[in-house]
Amino acid sequence: QKEVEQNSGPLSVPEGAIASLNCTYSDRVSQSFFWYRQYSGKSPELIMSIYSNGDKEDGRFTAQLNKASQYVSLLIRDSQPSDSATYLCAPQARGHKYIFGTGTRLKVLA
Amino acid sequence: SQTIHQWPATLVQPVGSPLSLECTVEGTSNPNLYWYRQAAGRGLQLLFYSVGIGQISSEVPQNLSASRPQDRQFILSSKKLLLSDSGFYLCAWTSNYGYTFGSGTRLTVV
Repeated sequence: QKEVEQNSGPLSVPEGAIASLNCTYSDRVSQSFFWYRQYSGKSPELIMSIYSNGDKEDGRFTAQLNKASQYVSLLIRDSQPSDSATYLCAPQARGHKYIFGTGTRLKVLA
Repeated sequence: SQTIHQWPATLVQPVGSPLSLECTVEGTSNPNLYWYRQAAGRGLQLLFYSVGIGQISSEVPQNLSASRPQDRQFILSSKKLLLSDSGFYLCAWTSNYGYTFGSGTRLTVV
């Protein structure tokens, strides 16, 4: 089992729709979870962090965490073409490290 | 504010040549620093991390090495590059809010 699993996509959604990105992780010790957005050819940028079970909203983004199920998700409301990118899930691993999923490629169709 | 600088942005090197990539951080002291590599179409692979001057942890056995000669400087090196060393190299530092990445170096070994 991979440490972090994400559907590679591409996930295609029409403009204005809700995009739902999912991630499962194997290390039950993980307490901090991060979502990064990576545009093609660019470095990843942090868009959301979540530490507690439940939902956390920031603008059009909502992160959801369920530690019992070892599952974290990212919802993007009112998706825009500029949201088209690869989204990386990163639970904090043991010690000082973060383990990244391979990412889900999102395509928002205008 | 904290900033992270990474250079060069692109690099084309012949097989067997040496490599030196440099990363510096400003606006913070004693940061945890990381080198990641992202091969084409692949996820982020942690190569090295450092929690202080002279302290280097290697995650993957390979022909690369890292050094931290100063608190805010992290260097990735190789004595002889292989074709398989091609990729997008990212330096990062962490806070309680996750990673901040440098702009990356795209290395092509020919």
